[in-house]
Order: sequence, then C-alpha cells, then structure tokens
Amino acid sequence: EAGVVQSPRYKIIEKKQPVAFWCNPISGHNTLYWYRQNLGQGPELLIRYENEEAVDDSQLPKDRFSAERLKGVDSTLKIQPAELGDSAVYLCASSLHQARPPIGYTFGSGTRLTVV
Amino acid sequence: SQELEQSPQSLIVQEGKNLTINCTSSKTLYGLYWYKQKYGEGLIFLMMLQKGGEEKSHEKITAKLDEKKQQSSLHITASQPSHAGIYLCGAGLGQGAQKLVFGQGTRLTINP
Repeated sequence: EAGVVQSPRYKIIEKKQPVAFWCNPISGHNTLYWYRQNLGQGPELLIRYENEEAVDDSQLPKDRFSAERLKGVDSTLKIQPAELGDSAVYLCASSLHQARPPIGYTFGSGTRLTVV
Repeated sequence: SQELEQSPQSLIVQEGKNLTINCTSSKTLYGLYWYKQKYGEGLIFLMMLQKGGEEKSHEKITAKLDEKKQQSSLHITASQPSHAGIYLCGAGLGQGAQKLVFGQGTRLTINP
C-alpha cells in the first residue's frame, strides 16, 4: 500500500513567484493535514481537513497561502507570491478519523521549498 | 512558548552507548507519537503511546509514557550509526487533541 505521496520533493523558486504542492493521502484516511517545518524546528500545523472541509486553518497565512481538497481525497497547497521566509519543508499527513488521539497519523516525504 | 519541550536539543554519543531523549508537556497528552526524521525529509513513524505507564519497544528503541501522561522518554540501547537523525515527539494536547503538535526535535549524532 502506498503511503502519503507528496510532490514535488524539491522546489526552488524566485521570490514573488507562485508555487504549489500536491498531496495524496493514504486511501481511506479522511483527515488530511498540511504542516510547515522550518529549519531546526518541529512541524507546525497550517491547515487540517476533515473530508473536503477545512476545520482548522487558524495558522494558515491567508494573505498568500491557500489550500483545497475538492473531492475529499488529494489536496493542493499554494503560495502566491512566495517570500524568502517561506523557505521550509512542507509536510502532508493523513489519519484515519477525528479520534483523540488521531489514529494512524502518517507523514509524506515532504517538499523542500527554497525561495531565492 | 513551545507546548511540547524536548531535551536535549542535540546529542552526540559514542557508538555503542545508551541515550535518552525526553518530551515534556504542561498539559495532559492524548496520544504521544515518536518520529524519526532525516534532514529535510518526511517523518518516519516509530511508535505511539496512549496509556499512562505504557511502554513499547522496537529493536533497540524503547519509549515510555509516564503515569500522569505528561512526559515521555525515548531510550536507545547500544546506539548505532543508523540511529543518527532528528527525533520528534508529537502529541494531541487538551481540547485540540484532534491534531498533533510537535516538540522542536532532538538532533542525534553517533560518533564511530
């Protein structure tokens, strides 16, 4: 069974350019998370989806970041325009359902974004 | 301030030595996950603890969740170069237990 799949693995862009990341969660996992991890830090949640609904986007910088999960399966995270401070690893995770704690919390390989 | 505090932040040990990494919260932990990460890559699941007093082992790595469910420790016995990397604890905390929050990570270096 494939795990959480993310693409691309690496991305280098100039500041002010747009960029998009894609995530396909584990089949059957209805909860999807996007995290951002700065160098030397732990991951920080950007947005959490339950099926196609964004139930927690309080940490998403909405002036430049957007996300969608139209059919409740795969998801896209976009930054427009990118800033130098957006350089980080963007991680996608999925879990089985909205349990406490979440079950089967699994991460993808991440996308390492460098903004120059 | 960090909701989950890991200590130490970095650790250098001689191959073959034992080591312990701690993860502490001021709130009750609803599920404590331990992950390992290579630089710039995704998180690899190690184990999950739910009940106070629970202990799990995988190969030479053992994790415990204390009785009051506010601290966990990860212990590696007879460390090997393959154990090098960043260890992260993640936990569901309080009302927000539907998602995981993470510590800042512990960078482990194994010297041959």
